[in-house]
Amino acid sequence: FMLTQPHSVSESPGKTVTISCTRSRGSIAGNYVQWYQQRPGSAPTIVIYEDNQRPSGVPDRFSGSIDSSSNSASLTISGLKTEDEAVYYCQSYDSDIRVFGGGTSLTVL
Amino acid sequence: QVQLVQSGAEVKKPGASVKVSCKASGYSLTRHYMNWLRQAPGQGPEWMGIINPAGGSTTYAQKFQARVTMTRDTSISTVYMELSSLTSDDTAMYFCAGSQRWFDFDLWAQGTMVTVSS
Repeated sequence: FMLTQPHSVSESPGKTVTISCTRSRGSIAGNYVQWYQQRPGSAPTIVIYEDNQRPSGVPDRFSGSIDSSSNSASLTISGLKTEDEAVYYCQSYDSDIRVFGGGTSLTVL
Repeated sequence: QVQLVQSGAEVKKPGASVKVSCKASGYSLTRHYMNWLRQAPGQGPEWMGIINPAGGSTTYAQKFQARVTMTRDTSISTVYMELSSLTSDDTAMYFCAGSQRWFDFDLWAQGTMVTVSS
């Protein structure tokens, strides 16, 4: 299966942005979705796991959800800060495979 | 301090093999799943395989099954990834990443750049 994300999004500081991730085959609700943030020159870091859980240290401005009707997951970032500018990847799995989306470049301007 | 630290950059000729190490500090290899992923320039991460905490058994992505070997040495808290028969398509940043859950990656190392060039 594939996970499809928009190539890029942009929004102003203080606003809210939502990034989508659509699963091509199989139910989005059948396997957890994770989200990772990757800043230039750094390794990815996890910001959401198990659809909507935040690791310790991740601000509550970050939230995750799934929508079975559109077979998609979403990452929402509220109160945008310039430090949120990064590429965001969704990730899910199916038995012995792990799949990443193509990534969404978030610009905060 | 909990961290994963990988070995340094490598430059290899086509057809050669590369072995990358990942040392864990403050992080138990017998309680965490350890994965290897790679990321080609401008691309998203690609999962290569996993080492299970109980017993160290491995599962590899089908794409790499024939030419990847992942091992661990718990006495020195280090995991290894060896990739053989390298081609220019293997030029990428290689990451190890661990997790308490088998399906995600919640602690990443800094990455090791592997360049394959004649």
